[in-house]
Amino acid sequence: AIHLTQSPSSLSASVGDRVTITCRASQAISSALVWYQQKPGKAPNLLIYDASSLQNGVPSRFSGSGSGTDFTLTISSLQPEDFATYYCQQFNEFPLTFGPGTKVDFK
Amino acid sequence: EVQLLESGGDLVQPGGSLRLSCVASGFTFRNYAMSWVRQAPGKGLEWVSAVSGRGGDTYHADSAQGRFTISRDNSKNTLFLQMNSLRAEDTAVYYCAKDGYGSGRPRAPDVWGQGTTVIVS
Repeated sequence: AIHLTQSPSSLSASVGDRVTITCRASQAISSALVWYQQKPGKAPNLLIYDASSLQNGVPSRFSGSGSGTDFTLTISSLQPEDFATYYCQQFNEFPLTFGPGTKVDFK
Repeated sequence: EVQLLESGGDLVQPGGSLRLSCVASGFTFRNYAMSWVRQAPGKGLEWVSAVSGRGGDTYHADSAQGRFTISRDNSKNTLFLQMNSLRAEDTAVYYCAKDGYGSGRPRAPDVWGQGTTVIVS
């Protein structure tokens, strides 16, 4: 199975900060990666698909990049509603796997 | 509006069985692969099972293989997860999720239900 790691596991930031989260795959997965945001008690929300494409309705402050084994989710200017946990997920092969998550909270 | 409504979660004893259901609306159900993803209390997301749009191809995580069966009834826009031989470690919120890539091989969900809770104790 393809193992995904995320760093950092948590971070503290302020409104307006630029935030970068990385996801690393244990083997090359081309661009077969998505990013989700999840708030407590809620279902995940798709932010980025195919590693770098912005899902419809998602604010443009979110962006994704990378291919192969190294990927990045960037929030250009953190907003109050962005405090949440972020997960990457690969779909290059089965089993589909998720990263362990990165929790973004208030500094 | 795309909606997914799960049901069937319950408290069950170890070794017991449950059948989860997910009724879909707002899209052409047969045109999309579907998945079940779970989240144990305080933990991350874990993919469980997936099925192609026509239902002919199914996929299971190792943790579900041999115990869980995913299926769908496209005439009723409903997804199912039959769970047998349940264990304490199956305790989780189970999400039904629509694939964002169409009816073929499941890839990644783009819409999720609100979840249904399974407690094995």
